[in-house]
Amino acid sequence: KAGVTQTPRYLIKTRGQQVTLSCSPISGHRSVSWYQQTPGQGLQFLFEYFSETQRNKGNFPGRFSGRQFSNSRSEMNVSTLELGDSALYLCASSFGQGAYTDTQYFGPGTRLTVL
Amino acid sequence: QKEVEQDPGPLSVPEGAIVSLNCTYSNSAFQYFMWYRQYSRKGPELLMYTYSSGNKEDGRFTAQVDKSSKYISLFIRDSQPSDSATYLCAMSGDTNAGKSTFGDGTTLTVKP
Repeated sequence: KAGVTQTPRYLIKTRGQQVTLSCSPISGHRSVSWYQQTPGQGLQFLFEYFSETQRNKGNFPGRFSGRQFSNSRSEMNVSTLELGDSALYLCASSFGQGAYTDTQYFGPGTRLTVL
Repeated sequence: QKEVEQDPGPLSVPEGAIVSLNCTYSNSAFQYFMWYRQYSRKGPELLMYTYSSGNKEDGRFTAQVDKSSKYISLFIRDSQPSDSATYLCAMSGDTNAGKSTFGDGTTLTVKP
C-alpha cells in the first residue's frame, strides 16, 4: 500500500510570494492533517481536513489555508510568505473515523525555504 | 507553558544500552499517546500507540503511560546504531487522531 506522498519535496521562495503544497493520503484515509516543523518550535499543528471540511485548526495566522478535494487529496497555501515560514511542512493521513486504533501516518514533508 | 514537555536531550549511548525517553503533559483530556521516530530529512514514523494508562511492548520497544502522573515513557532495549534518530512523543485528546500535540523531540545517538 502506497504511503503518504507530498509534492514538491523542496521549494525556495522569496518574501511576499505565495506557495501551494500538495498531499496525497494513503488510499482509504479521509483525514489529512498539516503540521509545521521548525527547530525552534518543534512540530505544530496547522489544520485538519476530513471529507472536504476543515475539522480542526491550530493557532496560525490566516495566511495559512488549506482545502481538501473529493478524492481526499489536500493542498495547503501560504500567502505573503515571511522569513519565519521557512520550515518542513508535514502532511499526515488517517481514517479519521474516531476509532481508538486510528493513527496518523506522515509523509516525507516539503521543505520550504523563504529568502 | 507547553502542553507537552519532552526531555530535550540529546542522548548519546553505547550500542546495547537501555534507553529511556520521557514526556510529561498537562492536559488531562489526552487519552491517546504515540511515539514517533524521525530520521534526518524524513517525516515522522509511528513506532508505538497506546490508549490510556498501561504498558505496551513491541519487540525492543516498550511504551508506558501513567495518566495519574501525566507521564509517558518509551524504553528501547538493546539499542542499535540504526535507532539513532529523533524521537517524538505525541498525544491526542479524543478519538480523532487528526489533531495531535507533539513534544519537541529527543535526539538519540547510539554509538557502535
